This record gives sequence, structure tokens and C-alpha cells, in this order.
Amino acid sequence: AQSVTQLDSQVPVFEEAPVELRCNYSSSVSVYLFWYVQYPNQGLQLLLKYLSGSTLVKGINGFEAEFNKSQTSFHLRKPSVHISDTAEYFCAVSDLGNTPLVFGKGTRLSVIA
Amino acid sequence: NAGVTQTPKFRVLKTGQSMTLLCAQDMNHEYMYWYRQDPGMGLRLIHYSVGEGTTAKGEVPDGYNVSRLKKQNFLLGLESAAPSQTSVYFCASSYSGQGGQPQHFGDGTRLSIL
Repeated sequence: AQSVTQLDSQVPVFEEAPVELRCNYSSSVSVYLFWYVQYPNQGLQLLLKYLSGSTLVKGINGFEAEFNKSQTSFHLRKPSVHISDTAEYFCAVSDLGNTPLVFGKGTRLSVIA
Repeated sequence: NAGVTQTPKFRVLKTGQSMTLLCAQDMNHEYMYWYRQDPGMGLRLIHYSVGEGTTAKGEVPDGYNVSRLKKQNFLLGLESAAPSQTSVYFCASSYSGQGGQPQHFGDGTRLSIL
């Protein structure tokens, strides 16, 4: 069964600084990868997804993620964060079959003015 | 567009009481899911459905039952609530279960059991 590890539970960062949120998954077989964002008191929203093709995936709000098959990683990056990026971010993985998504435990990003 | 709607948004129960959480989606999605979210635990899948009339167990199904009598609705029931079921519950739906299909989430139901 797939598993997802988000290496940092909390990441504080100053406004306009770059940020990287790390995600590793367990299996080296072909997978689909997702990042979701959860703002306070809301549900999860899709930020970006990797299905195939280019390993660099661009999402909403200036975020991007890079798929690295050899390291089984899918780290999320933004070159300059804003206060409004303060939220919890979840990495998720699914295999090529009809199994549900498996989520990581989340990383809370706090942007400091 | 409503998307995924969860009812109620908040509820406080006493231990032993029962209740049903309702999830409705208007996107004609085949798959629907119930998750619980607890601090430091991420989202854990309780039950899911691959179509009308079907249900399947997820990672943490004990103490919960579900029904999918209509394609657009997915009900989560607690027959005898326990304090360990205090959590935020999220419903989600997807067009299909094929890998790569994103899930669409509701805004959650905050449930406290005293």
C-alpha cells in the first residue's frame, strides 16, 4: 500500500521569502501525485497534480512542484510567499488503479510579515 | 455552483447518541468519500463509494456506517457516538476512481462528542 511522508509538520517563513514543502511517497511504481491546500475552516482545494509528462508541474497561486522518480519525491515550491499563503498543505498519491488517494499528514505553512 | 455540500456544519453530541452526516454533490460524480481529520493525523479515509448502491471500507471504518442510495448523496452514520469520534469530517467526490482524477471537497462538519 502507498504511503506519503511530509517531512515537516510546520514551516514558518517570512513574507516574500522562498519556500519548499517536502513530500516523499513509498512506492517506485507509476503513481499520480497531488498537492492540496486547506485554508482555515475550509475544505481542501487542489493546488496542482502530476499525471505524466514534464516533471515540473505548475499550479495555482504561483506554486510549482517537481516530480523526482528516483528519489520518490514531489516537493512543492514557491519563489516568494505572501501572507495569504498561510494554510495547511497536503501531499497525496494514488496508483494507476481505482484505489483512493492516500494523504500525508500535512504541513502547516505560516507566513510571517 | 454548489459543488460538494455538507450538512450540518457543526454539531455537539453526547456519548451514545446517534446522528447522520449528509453529503450532497451536484457534479454527477461516481465516487464519493468520507474522511476524518484530526490534528497531526492528516486525512484518514473512513468509507467510500464507487457508485450508487455501493460502499467500501477505508482505513478507519469502525464505529461508522454509510449509505449511497442516490448517486448525489452519501450519508455517514454514527450509531453510538464516542468521544474518540470527535473530529472534523470531510466529504469528497471524484468523477471516477481512476488514478489522476482529483477529489472535490466539502467545507467539513465539526463534530464534538461529550
